Amino acid sequence: DTGVSQDPRHKITKRGQNVTFRCDPISEHNRLYWYRQTLGQGPEFLTYFQNEAQLEKSRLLSDRFSAERPKGSFSTLEIQRTEQGDSAMYLCASSLAGTIYEQYFGPGTRLTVT
Amino acid sequence: GQSLEQPSEVTAVEGAIVQINCTYQTSGFYGLSWYQQHDGGAPTFLSYNGLDGLEETGRFSSFLSRSDSYGYLLLQELQMKDSASYFCAVRSLSSARQLTFGSGTQLTVLP
Repeated sequence: DTGVSQDPRHKITKRGQNVTFRCDPISEHNRLYWYRQTLGQGPEFLTYFQNEAQLEKSRLLSDRFSAERPKGSFSTLEIQRTEQGDSAMYLCASSLAGTIYEQYFGPGTRLTVT
Repeated sequence: GQSLEQPSEVTAVEGAIVQINCTYQTSGFYGLSWYQQHDGGAPTFLSYNGLDGLEETGRFSSFLSRSDSYGYLLLQELQMKDSASYFCAVRSLSSARQLTFGSGTQLTVLP
């Protein structure tokens, strides 16, 4: 069990550029979640996959954000036309079926938009 | 909507016992989870309460009262390594496929 991994760990980009992050969940976990966390706040839910199906997406999520999990394994989160307000830690988590309350988080990707 | 309230900061000394409270408002409720996050680290699952009562895991215990919409995390025999942020998180009927996290409580353990 290698845990949840995320790549890259840090990303600095200029406003208006597109960025893509990758998450590799724990292999036997069929549920995958993306969160955003800013300083002094708890993780904020962005989207949820069960296997390859994206079953829920936060209503707060801009159309500039899109996520995929093409084969039910790794997932990507893309942010188009980045804005300074997108600067945050992007966390990925995974869990077994039936255990939404017990999620395993990756180390996160810290995005800085200049 | 949903909301969770927890104290922003708590300070205690090594060896002491500390309680971190969490009150929640949700439309429907499944259960309350607790997570620990060290500075620069990932959140780590600590405990879950789906039913009223106390759940104990080593030095950590968690309590839930559904009728009071209230829970707490109890940390005993505090150690310096317990200095971290602690988040309560709810899963509700209206958002059954996600966890909603509180803003977190920063615990500082002093020698």
